[in-house]
Amino acid sequence: GENVEQHPSTLSVQEGDSAVIKCTYSDSASNYFPWYKQELGKRPQLIIDIRSNVGEKKDQRIAVTLNKTAKHFSLHITETQPEDSAVYFCAASIKLIQGAQKLVFGQGTRLTINP
Amino acid sequence: DSGVTQTPKHLITATGQRVTLRCSPRSGDLSVYWYQQSLDQGLQFLIHYYNGEERAKGNILERFSAQQFPDLHSELNLSSLELGDSALYFCASSPQTELTEAFFGQGTRLTVV
Repeated sequence: GENVEQHPSTLSVQEGDSAVIKCTYSDSASNYFPWYKQELGKRPQLIIDIRSNVGEKKDQRIAVTLNKTAKHFSLHITETQPEDSAVYFCAASIKLIQGAQKLVFGQGTRLTINP
Repeated sequence: DSGVTQTPKHLITATGQRVTLRCSPRSGDLSVYWYQQSLDQGLQFLIHYYNGEERAKGNILERFSAQQFPDLHSELNLSSLELGDSALYFCASSPQTELTEAFFGQGTRLTVV
């Protein structure tokens, strides 16, 4: 299968609190999992990614965890700030024929940080 | 700035018409991916080109076609346009066919009236 399920669809947190977004994937061959942030009317911006040979990766206030056995990965944002408000997309790589790959995206999470 | 350039930024056209969207990948990237994003929807994969060759097709309509030229820029051609084709069209580039970092262009907002 090529499904990527993302939850929740909307998330509202108080400034300074943490936010967690979760995704599950169905293709056990997936080996690359990026997260994108998209502000209204703008391009998706790569914020962090993880490969299947790593369980966790952190970049300042952002971290991603991967559980290959359960086929799920999560985005953690700590000490949230108003500028973190955006739609966040997870994605998983899907291997196609002849070595080609594509990214399949989750449906997105609209994160709102309340001051 | 991602280094991926898309033109035009906005396009308004009538039903039944044909348009061409252009994408220039980051310097050194050989792969170009096209995605469609409808209002409040996720990103739907359309097609992938690597070094001038088509490598994968997604949910791309027969009215749509694409190509990648020797200088590695890509064009997405949309014909016999319908109202439902109104969407944001993004291209993304990455260095090889093995996905590493895929960076998106700023998108073309197509409105069919």
